Order: sequence, then structure tokens, then C-alpha cells
Amino acid sequence: AQSVTQLGSHVSVSEGALVLLRCNYSSSVPPYLFWYVQYPNQGLQLLLKYTSAATLVKGINGFEAEFKKSETSFHLTKPSAHMSDAAEYFCAVSDRGTSYGKLTFGQGTILTVHP
Amino acid sequence: DAGVIQSPRHEVTEMGQEVTLRCKPISGHNSLFWYRQTMMRGLELLIYFNNNVPIDDSGMPEDRFSAKMPNASFSTLKIQPSEPRDSAVYFCASSPGTARPLHFGNGTRLTVT
Repeated sequence: AQSVTQLGSHVSVSEGALVLLRCNYSSSVPPYLFWYVQYPNQGLQLLLKYTSAATLVKGINGFEAEFKKSETSFHLTKPSAHMSDAAEYFCAVSDRGTSYGKLTFGQGTILTVHP
Repeated sequence: DAGVIQSPRHEVTEMGQEVTLRCKPISGHNSLFWYRQTMMRGLELLIYFNNNVPIDDSGMPEDRFSAKMPNASFSTLKIQPSEPRDSAVYFCASSPGTARPLHFGNGTRLTVT
């Protein structure tokens, strides 16, 4: 079965600092990989996805993630944090050949951005 | 585009009562998903439909849970009888196809006392 591990349930950065949120997956075959963001009292919004093209994926709001097969990782980064980036971030996977919506989520990482 | 619409936003009920959660997917989307979010278990897929047909309900926790999609614009998730451990945020999401990402609603926060 697929599983996703997000290292660090809470990450705190200063405004303008690098954001790095870690995600590792376990799968014998590289899956589809996604990052979603959830703001308080809202649903999840897709940030970016990796399906099979370039290993460096750019998403919305200046975020990007790099798929590294050798490390089974898909870490999310942003060069300079904004206050508006404060939210909870979820890494998710789905099996190749199945619906993109049949997702296994990580436990989430709460990002705090302080002035 | 009104997005995925869920109702009610909040539901408080007593143990043993029937609860019905509602979802209107984005027009033209043919896949619909129900997820549950709790502190203990995180986000879990309960069931999903393609073209109104249930495809995978392996995540439905037990027979007290049932979901229907009578047409392309409406789905319900019913819990009967409800229990305190069902307290969670229930999300509905839709997508325009199996190879397209999800659009989530804002969720229904269910509290069972």
C-alpha cells in the first residue's frame, strides 16, 4: 500500500526566508505526487503535481517541488516566504493507472511565517 | 465557476441520529470524491464516483455510512446512526476526469454529541 511521510508537523520560518517542507513516499513504482494547501476553514487547493514529465515542478504562489526517485522524495520549496503562506500543507500520492483523485495523504505540515 | 458546494457547513447532532451531508460538484466534472479529515487519522478517502457510479467504497468505515449520486449534479453522504467518533470534517471534491486533479469544497464540520 502507498504511504506518505511528511517530516515535521510544524515548520516555522521568518518572512523572506526559504520554505522547505519535506515529503517522502513509499511505492515500488513512482506514483503521481501532489502538494495541496489548506487555509483555515477551507478545503484543499492544489499547489502542484508531478505526473511523469519534468522532475522539477513549478506550482502556484511561487512554490516548486522536485521529484527525486533515488530518495523517494518530493520536497516542497519556496525561496522567500510571505505571511500569506501560513497554512497547512499536504503531500499526497496516487497510483499510476488510477484516478488522480484517489489520494493517500500525508499527515500535513503546518507552516507558520513570522515577521 | 461556483466551485464545489457543500451543505451544511456545520452540523451538530446527537448520537443515534441520522445525518445527511450534501454536495454539488462543479458542472461538467464527472468524478466525485468524499474525504474525511480528523486529527487522529488525517485525510481519508471514503468513496468515489465516476459518471455517477460508485467505483471504490473501500474507505467507507462501516455499514452505518452510505453514499449516493443520483445525478451528475448532486451527491449525499449519510450516516445512520451517527456516533461521537464520526465527528470530523467531511470534504467533497470533484474533477473533470480521472487524470485531472481535485477541486475541494469547503467541507462540512460534523459534531456528534
